[in-house]
Amino acid sequence: GAVVSQHPSRVICKSGTSVKIECRSLDFQATTMFWYRQFPKQSLMLMATSNEGSKATYEQGVEKDKFLINHASLTLSTLTVTSAHPEDSSFYICSAWADTQYFGPGTRLTVL
Amino acid sequence: GQQLNQSPQSMFIQEGEDVSMNCTSSSIFNTWLWYKQEPGEGPVLLIALYKAGELTSNGRLTAQFGITRKDSFLNISASIPSDVGIYFCAGRRTGANNLFFGTGTRLTVIP
Repeated sequence: GAVVSQHPSRVICKSGTSVKIECRSLDFQATTMFWYRQFPKQSLMLMATSNEGSKATYEQGVEKDKFLINHASLTLSTLTVTSAHPEDSSFYICSAWADTQYFGPGTRLTVL
Repeated sequence: GQQLNQSPQSMFIQEGEDVSMNCTSSSIFNTWLWYKQEPGEGPVLLIALYKAGELTSNGRLTAQFGITRKDSFLNISASIPSDVGIYFCAGRRTGANNLFFGTGTRLTVIP
């Protein structure tokens, strides 16, 4: 099956700093990748759809200037959380589209 | 975004029992997917359904795509401890790649 990786798996940062999360499709090319956020004991909420070579499409209520998405190649999308605050602490999960969505293992972000 | 309603929200069952959970939506989907998520990990695809009325099995798991295209259910037979996790349904519309996720069913299997 298709494999998606994320890096880092965990990150702790100070309030006000920026954090970059990478999402890679390891054995296939993905023109479309998705970024989700999941708070404890809740479902996955789509943040944005990342299309290779074009601007990401953000869901309503997600600040595009705070959550910067870059999909520069067919195997890599990055999410940068800028000026992170404690309320941004969450589990961030990416997925890549092949014949369906394949999910990465997630990144646990903790902002102190 | 739209969320699908799953029930039950949580289940505590004895090892060996069968499990049934369902997912309903107020609107139609053309693909239904069932995922399992374990703590600290991303969701893993269990079963994909592409046609109304379709019944598909994957080992001890069986899922059906409702005739109305607004619901789906997942059954797990003869549960084992490693079935523990959160099960999410997800729906997709024709021509779209994005998914709408259910609220999740947390399964606990008591040995």
